[in-house]
Amino acid sequence: DAGVIQSPRHEVTEMGQEVTLRCKPISGHNSLFWYRQTMMRGLELLIYFNNNVPIDDSGMPEDRFSAKMPNASFSTLKIQPSEPRDSAVYFCASSGTGVNTEAFFGQGTRLTVV
Amino acid sequence: AQKVTQAQTEISVVEKEDVTLDCVYETRDTTYYLFWYKQPPSGELVFLIRRNSFDEQNEISGRYSWNFQKSTSSFNFTITASQVVDSAVYFCALRRAQGGSEKLVFGKGTKLTVNP
Repeated sequence: DAGVIQSPRHEVTEMGQEVTLRCKPISGHNSLFWYRQTMMRGLELLIYFNNNVPIDDSGMPEDRFSAKMPNASFSTLKIQPSEPRDSAVYFCASSGTGVNTEAFFGQGTRLTVV
Repeated sequence: AQKVTQAQTEISVVEKEDVTLDCVYETRDTTYYLFWYKQPPSGELVFLIRRNSFDEQNEISGRYSWNFQKSTSSFNFTITASQVVDSAVYFCALRRAQGGSEKLVFGKGTKLTVNP
């Protein structure tokens, strides 16, 4: 299995630009998570989907952030417009059915907004 | 509310020393899951272990062992005979087993440096 695949690995963009991060979960997993990692706040959940439906988006910082999961094998996290404080590592993770499972993480996307 | 505390921000040891990483959690749930993840310098998050709150047996996997004590709300991680490759940031995490939320609540992490 290829694991959770995220793209791009690194993104540098100018303030005000739109940024789209992409994620392909592990085949057969039905839960998908977007986490953000910063020095100040550590690892925090932004949103998670179950069977392509958003279940908990309470961690999405503001309306500039949006996430979609159009099908079981693809999800996007979009920031529009981006700001320097959005600079962070964004992780996507997926897990299988039920609570007796663990989440497997992608390699992350390091976003720098200048 | 759920909370995970990793009081040790950074630990530095010399190769072959044993080292224990502490994790204390808070939850009002009676059933929950605890996890440890490793984040090496390359940046990815690697799953190490999942523990159900009903199972208080300690677990050993090679040089790694975990001590779960529900009475003290702790889930500590010990590396025996540490190696340079163990250098990483280690995260403890908590997840509810009920209530429909699969959200992982992470501690701030402990940065372990193993010196040759």
